[in-house]
Amino acid sequence: SQQGEEDPQALSIQEGENATMNCSYKTSINNLQWYRQNSGRGLVHLILIRSNEREKHSGRLRVTLDTSKKSSSLLITASRAADTASYFCATGGGETSGSRLTFGEGTQLTVNP
Amino acid sequence: ETGVTQTPRHLVMGMTNKKSLKCEQHLGHNAMYWYKQSAKKPLELMFVYNFKEQTENNSVPSRFSPECPNSSHLFLHLHTLQPEDSALYLCASSHLGPYEQYFGPGTRLTVT
Repeated sequence: SQQGEEDPQALSIQEGENATMNCSYKTSINNLQWYRQNSGRGLVHLILIRSNEREKHSGRLRVTLDTSKKSSSLLITASRAADTASYFCATGGGETSGSRLTFGEGTQLTVNP
Repeated sequence: ETGVTQTPRHLVMGMTNKKSLKCEQHLGHNAMYWYKQSAKKPLELMFVYNFKEQTENNSVPSRFSPECPNSSHLFLHLHTLQPEDSALYLCASSHLGPYEQYFGPGTRLTVT
């Protein structure tokens, strides 16, 4: 069953601007992860945030998690044309779910030079 | 780019053919996964293997048959596929538990 839902489905910005993508989910989670996919290729892991964390940074990426609202956001600052890709959130359940992840439909980000 | 390789990268097969997809990981992980990615649909988890044992089969039709001979190798055997099975098939691996997954580049499968 689909867990994460990204918003917006598509986002087009100019180089240098910030890009914000949102993810909502329905059930309790152990962690939430963000991945990037360049056209027709494999997914690349960006950030993992655990349910007891509220914010995490990695370079130009900032992820927030609000478990009370069952939502997360991914902020990419000072975007570059190379950031053009699809971005997916994925939720990991509790201990009984093991390694299982449930992916959303993704946000297509286009950064125009 | 990652320690997960997949072969072939592209495959065209008829509905009566039998073919296999191969995945290999060099990351020392003990969990491996097959996903299906179709246009305009979320990534669908097909199978999960932990320590070579299948722990999840997400209601996948029997024309897809996985095999995991050891923790580093994963196969997906295909036979009598349908055109709607055309998709990007992704392999991933991870440490067992709630950790990030590492994906291969995928096999683009076209069933004619």
